[in-house]
Amino acid sequence: KQEVTQIPAALSVPEGENLVLNCSFTDSAIYNLQWFRQDPGKGLTSLLLIQSSQREQTSGRLNASLDKSSGRSTLYIAASQPGDSATYLCAALYSGAGSYQLTFGKGTKLSVIP
Amino acid sequence: DTGVSQNPRHKITKRGQNVTFRCDPISEHNRLYWYRQTLGQGPEFLTYFQNEAQLEKSRLLSDRFSAERPKGSFSTLEIQRTEQGDSAMYLCASSLALGVEQYFGPGTRLTVT
Repeated sequence: KQEVTQIPAALSVPEGENLVLNCSFTDSAIYNLQWFRQDPGKGLTSLLLIQSSQREQTSGRLNASLDKSSGRSTLYIAASQPGDSATYLCAALYSGAGSYQLTFGKGTKLSVIP
Repeated sequence: DTGVSQNPRHKITKRGQNVTFRCDPISEHNRLYWYRQTLGQGPEFLTYFQNEAQLEKSRLLSDRFSAERPKGSFSTLEIQRTEQGDSAMYLCASSLALGVEQYFGPGTRLTVT
């Protein structure tokens, strides 16, 4: 069964700190991996997408990496701000058997303390 | 590009009633997906359309659930004879092609009393 795991479930950091969110997946046959942000009661905002052939993607203060061999992805947030407080979800797109559904982790709830 | 829109944003219904949700994808996107998210969990895939064709359905999609995408534009998700376990956020997403970024709407929160 294809599973995506995110640890920790919650993280609290002081403003200005750099931080890393972790995502692991069970099957290396992924097509791509996407990181999302979700504010309480809202939909998902796409942050970064890494194709299986890529090692990392950057957008502003965000950098996402992908290591297929170890089944891991990380989201690095530089100089965290209170506005970064949200739940961060990673999702793997598996390409086996013609299925292209995203498999999500449960998310990491980030709190950035002013 | 106005993004993915969903209506209604909130729906409260009594057990046993039927409900229908609508999703309008980004205009040039021909792939459309429905997901369901319960509290504290990540979204779970329900079904997927390419244009008007429903190509994939999760086993989560029981016989009480039906989805359509007439003319390959907006999509509707209907739940018949709602149960309390159907209470969740229903999310719609669209993409330009397979394997590229999926863009999500704001979701419809369903509460079954």
